[in-house]
Amino acid sequence: NAGVTQTPKFRILKIGQSMTLQCAQDMNHNYMYWYRQDPGMGLKLIYYSVGAGITDKGEVPNGYNVSRSTTEDFPLRLELAAPSQTSVYFCASSYSKDGGGYSNQPQHFGDGTRLSIL
Amino acid sequence: GNSVTQMEGPVTLSEEAFLTINCTYTATGYPSLFWYVQYPGEGLQLLLKATKADDKGSNKGFEATYRKETTSFHLEKGSVQVSDSAVYFCALMNTGFQKLVFGTGTRLLVSP
Repeated sequence: NAGVTQTPKFRILKIGQSMTLQCAQDMNHNYMYWYRQDPGMGLKLIYYSVGAGITDKGEVPNGYNVSRSTTEDFPLRLELAAPSQTSVYFCASSYSKDGGGYSNQPQHFGDGTRLSIL
Repeated sequence: GNSVTQMEGPVTLSEEAFLTINCTYTATGYPSLFWYVQYPGEGLQLLLKATKADDKGSNKGFEATYRKETTSFHLEKGSVQVSDSAVYFCALMNTGFQKLVFGTGTRLLVSP
């Protein structure tokens, strides 16, 4: 009954450090997403993937990278951490039968990673 | 472009009060509409959805009706409980895409 699992739950980084936020899902969903949630700003899409080997930019991709080597995993990489990247990061997944043809399938979210950059 | 506007919070109510959280949207085409709920320290959970005009989504006593003429999807509950305290997000997903556009969220605080 795992669903979407994110690690770590909390992390503090220094400016200029790098890290990878892990995301795994066990629902065999083809779509996966990374969002950031800033106070009072709702969720913004960083990157998404429609299947293994395929990724694309969302609204706010600068400063991040992703890869999707398997259906289950979708890690998010911060190469040079900056204070503006302090946020709560959510990974989500969903299933689309025809690669986008179904627009009403719900996204399942992980519990988030709270990241502070000092 | 696509956007979602929600009423600002926090919304503070006493237990058993009636709840309305307003949500309006701007979209091209015919989007699907969603309400997600986020409890403290957790991720977002789908609360209800509606996929076409005049559809009513409902779950756990919450309801919302897709009103195309007013481009609205207001969330209602007849009698709130302390356990309903959370942040509620309205969102849309446009036809042919699997990308959600979220509102800024409305915090609900229910006191005993």
